[in-house]
Amino acid sequence: AQRVTQPEKLLSVFKGAPVELKCNYSYSGSPELFWYVQYSRQRLQLLLRHISRESIKGFTADLNKGETSFHLKKPFAQEEDSAMYYCALRSDSWGKLQFGAGTQVVVTP
Amino acid sequence: SQTIHQWPATLVQPVGSPLSLECTVEGTSNPNLYWYRQAAGRGLQLLFYSVGIGQISSEVPQNLSASRPQDRQFILSSKKLLLSDSGFYLCAWRGATQGYTFGSGTRLTVV
Repeated sequence: AQRVTQPEKLLSVFKGAPVELKCNYSYSGSPELFWYVQYSRQRLQLLLRHISRESIKGFTADLNKGETSFHLKKPFAQEEDSAMYYCALRSDSWGKLQFGAGTQVVVTP
Repeated sequence: SQTIHQWPATLVQPVGSPLSLECTVEGTSNPNLYWYRQAAGRGLQLLFYSVGIGQISSEVPQNLSASRPQDRQFILSSKKLLLSDSGFYLCAWRGATQGYTFGSGTRLTVV
């Protein structure tokens, strides 16, 4: 069965410190993985997708098929990074997304 | 440009009352549409998806139903709400290249 696991419900970091949000998945095929972010009072929006291999707002994420992980990283956290982050997996041609439970990131000055 | 509208933003309904949440998409045709529910501490759960008019697939058995009467309209309904239907409901559509776009959501509280 497909599953996306985000083990941390809350991640509290100081401004300027590195931040890493963990995401592990279980899927037997070739997954397409995403990170979505929801800032306070805003819509859920796409942050990263693994196939584009890009860096958005200083965040990067590398798909590790051996470890079935897609961890999100940023070397220096900023206060505006405080938000809810969701890891998601698209597993079929219908475009259904399976989300993790989410990680709330709080960056304190 | 493509936009997605979802209403109402908040809703408080008594147990046993009906429900109708509407989602419309503009600027695209024949989108794949999705209803998700975000329950406290449980992340986002896919409820329904639709790849065309009149076509609905249900992901989980529940007290809710969905309909797609028009190409860009997706409706989430219930005949009789339960307390457990409380949550945050999100509509989304998937474009060919833009990925997924989410609506602003409806906070439903069943009392």
